[in-house]
Amino acid sequence: DAGVTQSPTHLIKTRGQQVTLRCSPISGHKSVSWYQQVLGQGPQFIFQYYEKEERGRGNFPDRFSARQFPNYSSELNVNALLLGDSALYLCASSIRDREGTQYFGPGTRLTVL
Amino acid sequence: GENVEQHPSTLSVQEGDSAVIKCTYSDSASNYFPWYKQELGKGPQLIIDIRSNVGEKKDQRIAVTLNKTAKHFSLHITETQPEDSAVYFCAASMGNTGFQKLVFGTGTRLLVSP
Repeated sequence: DAGVTQSPTHLIKTRGQQVTLRCSPISGHKSVSWYQQVLGQGPQFIFQYYEKEERGRGNFPDRFSARQFPNYSSELNVNALLLGDSALYLCASSIRDREGTQYFGPGTRLTVL
Repeated sequence: GENVEQHPSTLSVQEGDSAVIKCTYSDSASNYFPWYKQELGKGPQLIIDIRSNVGEKKDQRIAVTLNKTAKHFSLHITETQPEDSAVYFCAASMGNTGFQKLVFGTGTRLLVSP
């Protein structure tokens, strides 16, 4: 079975630009969570979506937004990029929202110049 | 507050030795504790997890122990092999939020020398 897939693998943007990252969960999983991993640190929670609704949000500014589609895939959008947004963005899928193992994708490496 | 502390930050062992990584969490309502292995350029891979109603769980060379009273949990790897070299993260699921939010430790870089 295919695991969590993310695209693109790498992305280079300049300050002020906008970026969209994509994630496809494991087949049968209805929840997608997004995490930001800055180099040398553990992942930090950004959002969780379940059944197309936002279920939880971490301590990130409104420049970060996301949505989940009827096929349970998800997009993470970041507006007005800052240098500090450079990180590995990870998507994790799980069967449900409140519990269940989260399986991570390979991530999208975003570099903001 | 939401905090997970992880020690040590780096750990070097000889092949065949055991490795132990320790974590402490702050939210007493946390009830789920996964461990992830992250290799260079890859996403975190779940290696073992434990729930709060269990004190210990084993899977071949890997074991996790949980002490809810002390809010400690640990990862034990026996008979280490060079392919165990990676960064390991502990995490705790924050309780009473209505959704699942994992809070991660800062990671332990494990180096297993042949």
